Amino acid sequence: DTAVSQTPKYLVTQMGNDKSIKCEQNLGHDTMYWYKQDSKKFLKIMFSYNNKELIINETVPNRFSPKSPDKAHLNLHINSLELGDSAVYFCASSQEGYSPLHFGNGTRLTVT
Amino acid sequence: DQQVKQNSPSLSVQEGRISILNCDYTNSMFDYFLWYKKYPAEGPTFLISISSIKDKNEDGRFTVFLNKSAKHLSLHIVPSQPGDSAVYFCAASVSSGSARQLTFGSGTQLTVLP
Repeated sequence: DTAVSQTPKYLVTQMGNDKSIKCEQNLGHDTMYWYKQDSKKFLKIMFSYNNKELIINETVPNRFSPKSPDKAHLNLHINSLELGDSAVYFCASSQEGYSPLHFGNGTRLTVT
Repeated sequence: DQQVKQNSPSLSVQEGRISILNCDYTNSMFDYFLWYKKYPAEGPTFLISISSIKDKNEDGRFTVFLNKSAKHLSLHIVPSQPGDSAVYFCAASVSSGSARQLTFGSGTQLTVLP
């Protein structure tokens, strides 16, 4: 009964490949997010979707494309992977208003 | 430009004593502040929050204090327990329509010694 689940937990791939990370939440939240934790351990927002519509789109390369088939899912597609994309990616969800974000357990992406 | 700063990367406290974790921010538009706890290989877990209209919020052993004039936030854990050992992230947010854009600090590793 995991609230926010993302798969896979680990992803090792070569430069130039295309990969996807999936995220699902069963909390009934309207908003979902993707965060990236870089090598300095900072968590930085990448995207936010509300009811399948893009709300926040921070400056990330357009090789990263979020896709939300419904409000319970927000997947992250990454094309032409680069070494600098290696990081831990966290999915999260929240209700509107003063409501905390609930995070998944992260996907550690390693690009070789 | 770090808008949320946690200047102490680590803190060690004896079991039963108080742990005080600090956080400073620069953006006066932040109106909601949160603390998250993170264990290795897990996602951040929400701990406690406070809105900018309050200066204190308490939940069991955890209390968050907000000093808006100083742009300073702190988390008090009392009494500290070994299971509290984790990385603690401070986060601040502004509303962006229907979404909340959280800005995180770099985290403080808390170690509670038995």
